[in-house]
Amino acid sequence: DTGVSQDPRHKITKRGQNVTFRCDPISEHNRLYWYRQTLGQGPEFLTYFQNEAQLEKSRLLSDRFSAERPKGSFSTLEIQRTEQGDSAMYLCASRELGTGTGSGANVLTFGAGSRLTVL
Amino acid sequence: TQLLEQSPQFLSIQEGENLTVYCNSSSVFSSLQWYRQEPGEGPVLLVTVVTGGEVKKLKRLTFQFGDARKDSSLHITAAQPGDTGLYLCAGRIGGYNKLIFGAGTRLAVHP
Repeated sequence: DTGVSQDPRHKITKRGQNVTFRCDPISEHNRLYWYRQTLGQGPEFLTYFQNEAQLEKSRLLSDRFSAERPKGSFSTLEIQRTEQGDSAMYLCASRELGTGTGSGANVLTFGAGSRLTVL
Repeated sequence: TQLLEQSPQFLSIQEGENLTVYCNSSSVFSSLQWYRQEPGEGPVLLVTVVTGGEVKKLKRLTFQFGDARKDSSLHITAAQPGDTGLYLCAGRIGGYNKLIFGAGTRLAVHP
């Protein structure tokens, strides 16, 4: 498999429950990103990792959200005490760490996403 | 307020028509990308532009980056039903490591 894998693809949960999503990036990619996409909107940046280090977190990432990438390979995104407003598609993307600003720079490969519905 | 404004939001056309969608910002981008996203899938990269005034062609799709690197356009010639999808522009500002996305243009091409 040469793509970015996300699991589960769909999750329906009741408000107040915890959920966890997993992302397996392309193996040689050392940068991993999480985005959230709500209906009718483009993806919004949540956080990113370089290897196992979490280098940036968006203000969108409340204290109910936590992301990890313990061994610098797969990553998990956990949402605690889910709220209906958390319903969205959670997208993971990865890329190689490169230099410069050429056309090959900053090329993200996205997974198919994990769609969360909070009832 | 979106940093990248895309227009139109929705476009419904007949097969064979031409169309242009726009991506505008007041910020300067070091690079800008266009993605296409189908329902239930993640965005897929179409093109990256990095130089002001750059024009890139991908079969029937023509992408242009504005001279000031603040705006971009995507022109599709003789649209086909397979072009249906959400077209997203995304830009990188300076040395920041994240891509900022517009809200997208949802295109429907009818046979």
